[in-house]
Amino acid sequence: NAGVMQNPRHLVRRRGQEARLRCSPVKGHSHVYWYRQLPEEGLKFMVYLQKENIIDESGMPKERFSAEFPKEGPSILRIQQVVRGDSAAYFCASSPNFGGNNEQFFGPGTRLTVL
Amino acid sequence: GENVEQHPSTLSVQEGDSAVIKCTYSDSASNYFPWYKQELGKRPQLIIDIRSNVGEKKDQRIAVTLNKTAKHFSLHITETQPEDSAVYFCAGGGGADGLTFGKGTHLIIQP
Repeated sequence: NAGVMQNPRHLVRRRGQEARLRCSPVKGHSHVYWYRQLPEEGLKFMVYLQKENIIDESGMPKERFSAEFPKEGPSILRIQQVVRGDSAAYFCASSPNFGGNNEQFFGPGTRLTVL
Repeated sequence: GENVEQHPSTLSVQEGDSAVIKCTYSDSASNYFPWYKQELGKRPQLIIDIRSNVGEKKDQRIAVTLNKTAKHFSLHITETQPEDSAVYFCAGGGGADGLTFGKGTHLIIQP
């Protein structure tokens, strides 16, 4: 009974490189959420996706950030031309139904460090 | 959209005492209020949740209360133990915007 899986767990990038973060939701869950957590801060919503659709991306920066959840395979959060301020923990969560009023199951996170 | 405020940011209590963490929310359409516990370097995990059709819910040493009129909800932990040390996040949701999290409370249990 695998929970939410994220990889890599740790990612180091130099400024200007691309970061690709992967999230495999709980089997059978079709709703995926991405959050960013800065040190000593809470979880900031970034984007909410269902299979092949972006439902809400209001928390995601307009430039350099994109997300997808294809019909097959994991959800991907992509950060282009990373900057030092992108260093954070990125958590993915999934739920079987709309996660606004149901439990969201979190992955272990990807800790991105930008040098 | 929803705005969730959480207090205090840090709470230190003696082992065996009770701890209370409080949150307020702004969106009257919110109807789901979960609490997550995050240990250092780990993922957030749900410990208890409450829906707006009830005022209180209890699970062993953990309880949550909800006051819809005042738009606030609280987490109560009794007989605290060292393993309760963690960061606790409240959240509000159920409206159109999904879950909005508070900034977290770092709970320290003093031996």
